[in-house]
Amino acid sequence: RKEVEQDPGPFNVPEGATVAFNCTYSNSASQSFFWYRQDCRKEPKLLMSVYSSGNEDGRFTAQLNRASQYISLLIRDSKLSDSATYLCVVSGGNNRLAFGKGNQVVVIP
Amino acid sequence: NAGVTQTPKFRVLKTGQSMTLLCAQDMNHEYMYWYRQDPGMGLRLIHYSVGEGTTAKGEVPDGYNVSRLKKQNFLLGLESAAPSQTSVYFCASSLTVSNQPQHFGDGTRLSIL
Repeated sequence: RKEVEQDPGPFNVPEGATVAFNCTYSNSASQSFFWYRQDCRKEPKLLMSVYSSGNEDGRFTAQLNRASQYISLLIRDSKLSDSATYLCVVSGGNNRLAFGKGNQVVVIP
Repeated sequence: NAGVTQTPKFRVLKTGQSMTLLCAQDMNHEYMYWYRQDPGMGLRLIHYSVGEGTTAKGEVPDGYNVSRLKKQNFLLGLESAAPSQTSVYFCASSLTVSNQPQHFGDGTRLSIL
């Protein structure tokens, strides 16, 4: 089983709509969770950390479910500028983070 | 605010040539990482360093060497480039604790002919 698994999509979402996707992880000992955003041919950038109680940053909401070992990201009121690939990142062993392959989001006008 | 700077941004090499990619960070981070990203593969860790003078192998270290002689710099070397090493290379750094978020450079696009 891969350390971090994501459905690559693409997730086509009309502008103004809500889109949500999950990421599953295999290491039950993982303590840190993040969502990164990566635009085409650009570097990944931290979108938000994910806390046990869940957290919100503007239109973005992240949730953690330790029992089922997944994290989720919800984007409300989607903007064209939200089109990107969203990488799920989970702390692994050996001083490193494990990156998922990403969920591609395409916001359609 | 420079953050993480990678040089060069682009490079084309012939098979068998050698080169060094430089990563510099000005955030006083202890941890530094080199990744490669290929279509459909996601980010794969090549090597990493937990502090000045230390290096460790990641998941795809073969064909690469690294050095961390100064805290702010992390060098990635290709001794004899192969077409399979054509990729986009990203450097990242993080604070002392390894599970802190990582900050990325803007990448080096390397083509091996």
